[in-house]
Parts: sequence; structure tokens; C-alpha cells
Amino acid sequence: ETGVTQTPRHLVMGMTNKKSLKCEQHLGHNAMYWYKQSAKKPLELMFVYNFKEQTENNSVPSRFSPECPNSSHLFLHLHTLQPEDSALYLCASSLGLATGELFFGEGSRLTVL
Amino acid sequence: DAKTTQPPSMDCAEGRAANLPCNHSTISGNEYVYWYRQIHSQGPQYIIHGLKNNETNEMASLIITEDRKSSTLILPHATLRDTAVYYCIVRGDQGGSEKLVFGKGTKLTVNP
Repeated sequence: ETGVTQTPRHLVMGMTNKKSLKCEQHLGHNAMYWYKQSAKKPLELMFVYNFKEQTENNSVPSRFSPECPNSSHLFLHLHTLQPEDSALYLCASSLGLATGELFFGEGSRLTVL
Repeated sequence: DAKTTQPPSMDCAEGRAANLPCNHSTISGNEYVYWYRQIHSQGPQYIIHGLKNNETNEMASLIITEDRKSSTLILPHATLRDTAVYYCIVRGDQGGSEKLVFGKGTKLTVNP
């Protein structure tokens, strides 16, 4: 139990669907992150939020739309995805941007048909 | 791109020490060495980090060479639950938004 909870743990969606991934942290952290882990590839940083403000968008396609309503919650809205977007999506949080000690959730396994 | 080089895989016998090497020959003076691990189908877990002094916590020890160009993560008494991919990451801590860039890591298999 890391204090970072992701839902759903598994998601299957068609290319025309719209779905959302949710991340919640109870650690009092101010920074939150989305990472993508495709099969046989290293983790890729997608987005970074600090105090609800986006500070990093790592050239992520617009079919991925993040939302951070407060420092405890982070969403990743998905629409018109492609099969190659199938991956493990990991949320993480940290006390702030200055630290490299991130706390990761268990991930949401996404399959796009 | 990751700034570190790690062997792709290692094996260790249960109960023995696991010594995982990492080369980071281009490390800068203000960059820290971080270690994470990822057990299959779980999120990465922070283990330890250091700048130039050796560090120890309840999980592991980190030995950094004097020239800081390489380091070793030591799991003193490996258990089967330590089987995971171990990532060595170099990251600056300037107070800005330094990214944590994961490479391919070392897959450690602890054998009974």
C-alpha cells in the first residue's frame, strides 16, 4: 500500500469509446504524475502537475487529456485511442517537484481493441 | 535518454547478498543516484538515493564510487520477494522539475 490508488485496475475499450483513469493520493503531496509503460519499453513520463498546475506535457497526443482538480486527484481522460495505446498507465505523487522520491500506484492496465 | 547503464539481468541465491551495478560516467556534480524497483505488474517502488556518500536504509545499501561514475545497490539478504526489475536513475535536485527518466533496468531473479 503506497498511498496512491488508481482505478480502474483494468480497462478494455474500443477505439471510439471515451473513458477515464482516476488517481488519488492520501499522502499530502503536491506533485502528481502520469507515466505510460508499454510492453518491452521503459516507463515514459507523460504529464506532471504541481499544485494543480500542469508543468510538463511530454509531447503526448491530444487523445490523452489530463485533469487535476486538486492536489489529491488526477485524471487521465481517454478518447479515440489506438491499439498501440494499450499499456500500463501509472500514476505517481511526490511531496514536490524537487524530490525524486515518487510514490507510484499499482497502475491501470488499458487494452484498446 | 537514460544516463545510466545496467546489466539486463542477474541471478542471486536466496539468502545471499545481491549486488546490482550501475554505470553513470557522465553524472554531474549536482545529480543524485536513485534506485527504484518494479515487481511484476506493480508500480515502481522507491528504494534509496544518494549523492556521494554511501547510504543505507531498511531496504538496501547504496555504495557510490569516489569518482561517482558508478554505484552498487546491495540487498544484503535477498529473498524471493526481491525478484524484480531494478532501475538506477540519475537525477538533478536543483529544486526544479527534473524528470525521473527510467531506463530498462536490471531484472534480478532470486532463486531458491
